[in-house]
Amino acid sequence: GENVEQHPSTLSVQEGDSAVIKCTYSDSASNYFPWYKQELGKRPQLIIDIRSNVGEKKDQRIAVTLNKTAKHFSLHITETQPEDSAVYFCAASYDFGNEKLTFGTGTRLTIIP
Amino acid sequence: EAQVTQNPRYLITVTGKKLTVTCSQNMNHEYMSWYRQDPGLGLRQIYYSMNVEVTDKGDVPEGYKVSRKEKRNFPLILESPSPNQTSLYFCASSLVGGYGYTFGSGTRLTVV
Repeated sequence: GENVEQHPSTLSVQEGDSAVIKCTYSDSASNYFPWYKQELGKRPQLIIDIRSNVGEKKDQRIAVTLNKTAKHFSLHITETQPEDSAVYFCAASYDFGNEKLTFGTGTRLTIIP
Repeated sequence: EAQVTQNPRYLITVTGKKLTVTCSQNMNHEYMSWYRQDPGLGLRQIYYSMNVEVTDKGDVPEGYKVSRKEKRNFPLILESPSPNQTSLYFCASSLVGGYGYTFGSGTRLTVV
């Protein structure tokens, strides 16, 4: 089955700087890659996603890039703010519409004021 | 308000005592799923359901059962809980499988 590895497990950045979280996946058939944000004590929430026919997607300060050849995708957060502090999870799915979504192990991002 | 409701939020039980965690969604979603979250392991899928009476195993199904008799409900059943099932459990639903999951608030289960 699919295996998703996520790095780093913890990340601290100064407020205003950029943060990058990277994930690799094992199954070349995977073609849907969402990112979830989980604030302390709360539920995970979808923040951005990308499909394999797109190399990059952007939404305000967050962006996701995908390299299908290398089987890795990354989350980029620019101009970080204190409210960006959270745990971020990447995930991969064999097919858009496939219920079997495999998550990475998470990255705890801390924004230092 | 569109939501996924899990109950209870917190539960402490003893080894071997059967329990059920309920999950209900009011968005008419076809797809529902259960995940457990453990430190350092992320979110691991237990079971998922594509529609009423259609369920399948995720990555860690051992020790769990599910049923989907109605579209809105997807209970998680632990027939004989053990301490290694102590975890934070999330139910999730989506209109299209895996896409745009809405998660419930979570159930923190402790088995002693």
